[in-house]
Amino acid sequence: DGGITQSPKYLFRKEGQNVTLSCEQNLNHDAMYWYRQDPGQGLRLIYYSQIVNDFQKGDIAEGYSVSREKKESFPLTVTSAQKNPTAFYLCASSPGTGRGNIQYFGAGTRLSVL
Amino acid sequence: GESVGLHLPTLSVQEGDNSIINCAYSNSASDYFIWYKQESGKGPQFIIDIRSNMDKRQGQRVTVLLNKTVKHLSLQIAATQPGDSAVYFCAENGYGGSQGNLIFGKGTKLSVKP
Repeated sequence: DGGITQSPKYLFRKEGQNVTLSCEQNLNHDAMYWYRQDPGQGLRLIYYSQIVNDFQKGDIAEGYSVSREKKESFPLTVTSAQKNPTAFYLCASSPGTGRGNIQYFGAGTRLSVL
Repeated sequence: GESVGLHLPTLSVQEGDNSIINCAYSNSASDYFIWYKQESGKGPQFIIDIRSNMDKRQGQRVTVLLNKTVKHLSLQIAATQPGDSAVYFCAENGYGGSQGNLIFGKGTKLSVKP
């Protein structure tokens, strides 16, 4: 089953704890993205990566970190500096960057604070 | 259409009727648009896209119309089915911001009555 796999589906974070959300794709896509979705809201871009070993901040990068050591993997760490981490996190990938590249999404990870 | 705030605009239609979901986009230089469907607790799913050199594009049971003069996009769903119940997002890929990134609207919730 090809596509984008996010894990875990549900995640709980304790105060002061860093947590890492996994995103793996087997589509051979160059570009990968992380979005945050709050209830009744659209998607907001956290970080994106156009190629391995390179990534850029999106609109709401504060309190988050990423790495892109492999083409197929783009993990997101929600650090203790992110004071309001409760949200639905979505990972996406696209064949390339630039206009006309459709982004395909994983099933999401729902993060809650204990 | 799209709106600001926690309460999504809602469209309620009878099964078998046609649905029209509207979206106003912000950047007159945007030249590529995508419609996504998001079912509850899942990631967005690509429906159809359109480039700015087109006014209309048809898919299976869906049609997207683009009016660049008033910066308006619409998604028409023919013979709406219960499985069409979801939140629908439009996204624009415009100039400014990072290449390849999408700007998402806040979504419209479609409810189909049997």
